[in-house]
Amino acid sequence: EIVLTQSPGTLSLSPGERATLFCRASQSVSSNYLAWYQQKPGQAPRLLIYGTSSRATGIADRFSGSGSGTDFTLTISRLEPEDFAVYYCQQYNHSLTMYTFGQGTKLEI
Amino acid sequence: EVELVESGGGLVQPGGSLRLSCAASGFTFSSYWMHWVRQDPGKGLVWVSRIDRDGSTINYADSVKGRFTISRDNAKNTLYLQMNSLRGEDTAVYYCGRAYAGYGAIDNWGQGTLVTVSS
Repeated sequence: EIVLTQSPGTLSLSPGERATLFCRASQSVSSNYLAWYQQKPGQAPRLLIYGTSSRATGIADRFSGSGSGTDFTLTISRLEPEDFAVYYCQQYNHSLTMYTFGQGTKLEI
Repeated sequence: EVELVESGGGLVQPGGSLRLSCAASGFTFSSYWMHWVRQDPGKGLVWVSRIDRDGSTINYADSVKGRFTISRDNAKNTLYLQMNSLRGEDTAVYYCGRAYAGYGAIDNWGQGTLVTVSS
């Protein structure tokens, strides 16, 4: 099983600042199969990034993803008030048919 | 607009059963793989199961294998999760989700339904 470890656990920033969130995998992950989600309290997750770096439909261009192998990054270039939420990375292992999520990073004001 | 609406959650005793439904609209349901994902209260996301377009390919997380059964009715645009032999650790909000083809991601999620397993 591939374990995803996100850091930091909590990130405290202000609107207008840049946020960098990390996701480290215990084994190499195919770049096609790394995604990021945003979840606000009481809401379902929302897909932000798929295939490591492609933005999902309707996602603002201040969100960007990068990385390869075992290290992946979600960057929010200039934080808006609505960006404060919990963010999860997720990978799919095709050979094991296994999907795993990281434990989440809480982005707080 | 894509919409996924789960139902069927509730309180059930350990060892009991429950069937969740997910009604889909706004897209061609039969063209998409579908998933169930759960979230323990206040905790992270855990993948539960997936099913292909016609129900011929099904996969489960080890934690639910042999107890949960995923299925779909394309004529009714509905996804199901039959949950048997429920345990306390199955307590969670259960989300259905639409697979984003080719990328192992979930591009649309329902609002979730809460399952509580307790005596």
